Amino acid sequence: EAGVAQSPRYKIIEKRQSVAFWCNPISGHATLYWYQQILGQGPKLLIQFQNNGVVDDSQLPKDRFSAERLKGVDSTLKIQPAKLEDSAVYLCASSPTTGNTIYFGEGSWLTVV
Amino acid sequence: AQSVSQHNHHVILSEAASLELGCNYSYGGTVNLFWYVQYPGQHLQLLLKYFSGDPLVKGIKGFEAEFIKSKFSFNLRKPSVQWSDTAEYFCAVTPQQAGTALIFGKGTTLSVSS
Repeated sequence: EAGVAQSPRYKIIEKRQSVAFWCNPISGHATLYWYQQILGQGPKLLIQFQNNGVVDDSQLPKDRFSAERLKGVDSTLKIQPAKLEDSAVYLCASSPTTGNTIYFGEGSWLTVV
Repeated sequence: AQSVSQHNHHVILSEAASLELGCNYSYGGTVNLFWYVQYPGQHLQLLLKYFSGDPLVKGIKGFEAEFIKSKFSFNLRKPSVQWSDTAEYFCAVTPQQAGTALIFGKGTTLSVSS
């Protein structure tokens, strides 16, 4: 079974530039998550989708972050404009409709300089 | 709000030593509990999980964890660590509801010297 796919794996941008990350979840998984993991901390949920609807985006900094999952499959997370404190690993994860195990992708490492 | 607390930030052990990593959570209802591991340069992987039943759960690579409901704890243990166990370990909790996001602790870095 293929895992959660993410791209790009690494990105370096200057502050105030924009960046987009892409995620393709495990086939058949209805729920998709974006987490932010800052160095030395645990992953923090940014947004959760159920199919193409948003379940929880309470911790998403909506003035600069946006995410979509238009067809209920793959998803994009965008940051515009980026700040230095956005330097982190952006983890995409998915889970099936039933059951609670969440499967993570390898992450997209963002460095803002 | 739910939260997860991991007591140890960095643990250093010699090979063959026993390991116990503490995890406490705050949530009044029924929860599902997880331990994830992140080896250097790799993605988060599930070590073990507890949903219900026997509070002592066994995971991969000889790890086990015990759920003590009265203490809101889910400590991770391994009788004898190996150098290859060097990694970051995350405890996570979610209300017992399908598709609910996990809340993670800050993680514990384990360094095992050979």
